[in-house]
Amino acid sequence: EIVLTQSPGTLSLSPGERATLSCRASQSVSSSYLAWYQQKPGQAPRLLIYGASSRATGIPDRFSGSGSGTDFTLTISRLEPEDFAVYYCQQYGSSSITFGQGTRLEIK
Amino acid sequence: QVQLVQSGAEVKKPGASVKVSCKASGYTFTSYGISWVRQAPGQGLEWMGWISAYNGNTNYAQKLQGRVTMTTDTSTSTAYMELRSLRSDDTAVYYCARAPGTGYDPWGQGTLVTVSS
Repeated sequence: EIVLTQSPGTLSLSPGERATLSCRASQSVSSSYLAWYQQKPGQAPRLLIYGASSRATGIPDRFSGSGSGTDFTLTISRLEPEDFAVYYCQQYGSSSITFGQGTRLEIK
Repeated sequence: QVQLVQSGAEVKKPGASVKVSCKASGYTFTSYGISWVRQAPGQGLEWMGWISAYNGNTNYAQKLQGRVTMTTDTSTSTAYMELRSLRSDDTAVYYCARAPGTGYDPWGQGTLVTVSS
């Protein structure tokens, strides 16, 4: 099973700042089958990025994904108030799909 | 629009079973798989398994093998997840999600299953 480790656990930033979230895999993720999700309290997760770097439908271009192999990054170029939430990475390239433990993005 | 609507909250006793439904609309049901993911209170996301709505093939998380069964009813575009021999640590919100091979999108609204004596 591929273990995904997200860092930091909590990120405290102000609106307008740039956020950089990391997701490291215990082994290479096949064909960059890496996705990022945003979850707000009381809501279901929402797909932001798939294939490591492709934005899902309707996702603002301030969200971008990068990386390959074992190291992946989600970048939010300029934080809006609605971006403060928990973010999860997911690998779906193996038969046993796994999620990272999440990064909480909070307002500083 | 593409939508997944799940059944309502359940309260079960330890040892019982629960069956959660997930009704799809807005797309051709048999063209995509459905995955199930759960989230214990205050915790992260845990993948439970996947079912092909085309042919019923399944892939379950090893941790749940033998206790979980996922099925579909193509006549009503509904997916089901049954979990047996419930324990207190099965208390969680259970989500279904469409799984097109490009991430999970969309997700159902979630179903809270509480296991308590």
